[in-house]
Amino acid sequence: GENVEQHPSTLSVQEGDSAVIKCTYSDSASNYFPWYKQELGKGPQLIIDIRSNVGEKKDQRIAVTLNKTAKHFSLHITETQPEDSAVYFCAASMSNYQLIWGAGTKLIIKP
Amino acid sequence: DAGVTQSPTHLIKTRGQQVTLRCSPKSGHDTVSWYQQALGQGPQFIFQYYEEEERQRGNFPDRFSGHQFPNYSSELNVNALLLGDSALYLCASSTSGQGFEKLFFGSGTQLSVL
Repeated sequence: GENVEQHPSTLSVQEGDSAVIKCTYSDSASNYFPWYKQELGKGPQLIIDIRSNVGEKKDQRIAVTLNKTAKHFSLHITETQPEDSAVYFCAASMSNYQLIWGAGTKLIIKP
Repeated sequence: DAGVTQSPTHLIKTRGQQVTLRCSPKSGHDTVSWYQQALGQGPQFIFQYYEEEERQRGNFPDRFSGHQFPNYSSELNVNALLLGDSALYLCASSTSGQGFEKLFFGSGTQLSVL
């Protein structure tokens, strides 16, 4: 079946450094790729999303890049801060418009 | 704006029992989706409701059913609970034009089945 693979499962970076999380999808019909941030005890929160007709999108310290040929997309967080510590999920739309989610990356920001 | 609200926040049930979880969508949203999130995993889509009807369904058995009311709020019912149903149940709302895009999630209901 269709799936989304997310790496790494845990990422520890020094405060101020950059963090990169990568996802690979299998459904060639996928055209919508959101990233969600989930803090402890809360539901996921949309932080950025991208469509397949766009290669890159930025929002302040956060950016997402998409490589349709290779079927992978990445989340980039620059100048990381303690409040960036959370679990991050990527997702990809399927042909029936449902989202299939990655398993998540726990991002730890070290002071 | 209260955002998406879910109740209860925590629930403990016994195997074989039935449970009802409730969700009120964000103001202005008319579509409600339900997800199951096991510990350490991403959310798994259960179903989506729009105009009081189930519009799409994920790979979940018929023990999982739902309802949407005229005010767009929704319920998730699970019958004959199994130990494996223990999880965080998330409700997400969106507008009809967006479907699965730009989902707003509640904080979830943590269900424990003993």
